[in-house]
Amino acid sequence: NAGVTQTPKFRILKIGQSMTLQCTQDMNHNYMYWYRQDPGMGLKLIYYSVGAGITDKGEVPNGYNVSRSTTEDFPLRLELAAPSQTSVYFCASSYNEASLYEQYFGPGTRLTVT
Amino acid sequence: AQKVTQAQTEISVVEKEDVTLDCVYETRDTTYYLFWYKQPPSGELVFLIRRNSFDEQNEISGRYSWNFQKSTSSFNFTITASQVVDSAVYFCALSEGNAGNMLTFGGGTRLMVKP
Repeated sequence: NAGVTQTPKFRILKIGQSMTLQCTQDMNHNYMYWYRQDPGMGLKLIYYSVGAGITDKGEVPNGYNVSRSTTEDFPLRLELAAPSQTSVYFCASSYNEASLYEQYFGPGTRLTVT
Repeated sequence: AQKVTQAQTEISVVEKEDVTLDCVYETRDTTYYLFWYKQPPSGELVFLIRRNSFDEQNEISGRYSWNFQKSTSSFNFTITASQVVDSAVYFCALSEGNAGNMLTFGGGTRLMVKP
C-alpha cells in the first residue's frame, strides 16, 4: 500500500494564479482531510470529507475548495492565490471519525505564493 | 473553544537522556480525545497515541510513556533513554466529543537529540 500520496511536493505560484493539490489514498478510508501548517504552528483543518460526494468546512476554509467524487481522491483547489496561502499542505485519511481513529498523513505539499 | 498549548517550542538533549514534552489543553466538554503525533524530518505526521477523557491511566509503550492528568488538564509525553531517531517535531492534539472530525493541534515541540 502506498498510503496517502500528494502531488506536487513543491510549487511556487504567483498572486492570483490557481492550482489544484492532488491527494489519493489506497486504504479504502471513508474520511479524508486537508490541513495547512504554517511555520512554527500546528496544523489547521481546511476541509474534510466523510465519504464520496460529501464535504464540509474545517477551521480555515476561505480561499479553498474541495470535491470528493471517489473514495480514493480528495483534491484541494486554490483560487486566486494569495501570499497568506503560503504554507505546507497535508492531506490525511482515516477509517472513520478523526477523534476515534488515527489519521494517516501524506508527505505534504510546500506551496509558496509570491 | 478548545485550545492546546505546547509551551516548549524547542528542546535539545543528549542521547540517553530522558525528556518530557508538555501539553496543556482547554475544553468545556466532558468527553474529549487527546492525541500525540510525531513529525520526523521527512515531513509526514505519524500517529503515536490516542486517549479519551474517561481513561486517566498512564500508558507505556517501549521507551515512550504518557501521563494524563485531568486535574491539571495536561497530557505529557516522556521519552526515556532518548535516541537520535527521536529527533522530530511532536504535536499534541485535542478533539471534542461533539466535533469528531476537528482536531485542534498545539504548536508543536521540536526535539533535537544529539549523539
